[in-house]
Amino acid sequence: QSALTQPASVSGSPGQSITISCTGTSSDVGGYNYVSWYQQHPGKAPKLMIYDVSNRPSGVSNRFSGSKSGNTASLTISGLQAEDEADYYCSSYTSSSTYVVFGGGTKLTVL
Amino acid sequence: QVQLQESGPGLVKPSQTLSLTCTVSGGSISSGGYYWSWIRQHPGKGLEWIGYIYYSGSTYYNPSLKSRVTISVDTSKNQFSLKLSSVTAADTAVYYCARDLSGSYYFLNWGQGTLVTVSS
Repeated sequence: QSALTQPASVSGSPGQSITISCTGTSSDVGGYNYVSWYQQHPGKAPKLMIYDVSNRPSGVSNRFSGSKSGNTASLTISGLQAEDEADYYCSSYTSSSTYVVFGGGTKLTVL
Repeated sequence: QVQLQESGPGLVKPSQTLSLTCTVSGGSISSGGYYWSWIRQHPGKGLEWIGYIYYSGSTYYNPSLKSRVTISVDTSKNQFSLKLSSVTAADTAVYYCARDLSGSYYFLNWGQGTLVTVSS
C-alpha cells in the first residue's frame, strides 16, 4: 500500500481537462511544498512534470499544472492530447524517515 | 545533460545479493550538490525509494530496506552502486538510478531502468 493515495484511473477526451488527486497527511503533502509529479509511458523511466507543488521543469508543456490544498495535491492537464496517455505518480517529501514517498499511480486514458 | 545508466545481472537467486551499478555521464558525481538515489518499481506497481548516497559517501536508506541495503560510490569511475542482500521474489522489480538536487526531494534525471528477477 502506497503512502500517498491516487485514483487508479482517470480518462478524458482530446481537448478536455482532467485532474488527478494525490492525498497524503500533514507529515508529507500537507506539511511541505515538496510535491512532485511524474509521467511514465509503458516501458520508460518516469519523467518529472511538476516539482515543488506547481513548478514546471524546462521543456514541460504549460498544459500541465499543479496545486495543493490541505493534504491533497492535484495535477491538472488541460487540452488533453493522445500523447498524454500514461501513468502519473505523485511524490512528496515526508518528515518520517523515508525521505520521499510516492503515490500508487494513476493511469490516464485519452478516449 | 546528465545521463544515468544501470547495469547488472537480470536474474538473481533467492537468498543471494542483488548488485547493480549506475554509470553517470555528462556530469561528475564528485562535483557535489546532488543526491544519487536508487528507486524500484515492482511489476505493475508504484515507485519505492530505496536510498541515496552523496559524493562524500554519506548515505540514507529507506527504513523498510535498511537492514539489507548498501549503496556505495566510486567517484573515480563516476559510478554508484546498490547491493541488496537476502533477496526474495518480493524484490523482483525494475530498478532505477536517479539524481536529485540535494534537498530538493524531486528526481530530474533517471536511468532507463533495469529489470531484476529473483528466481531459482
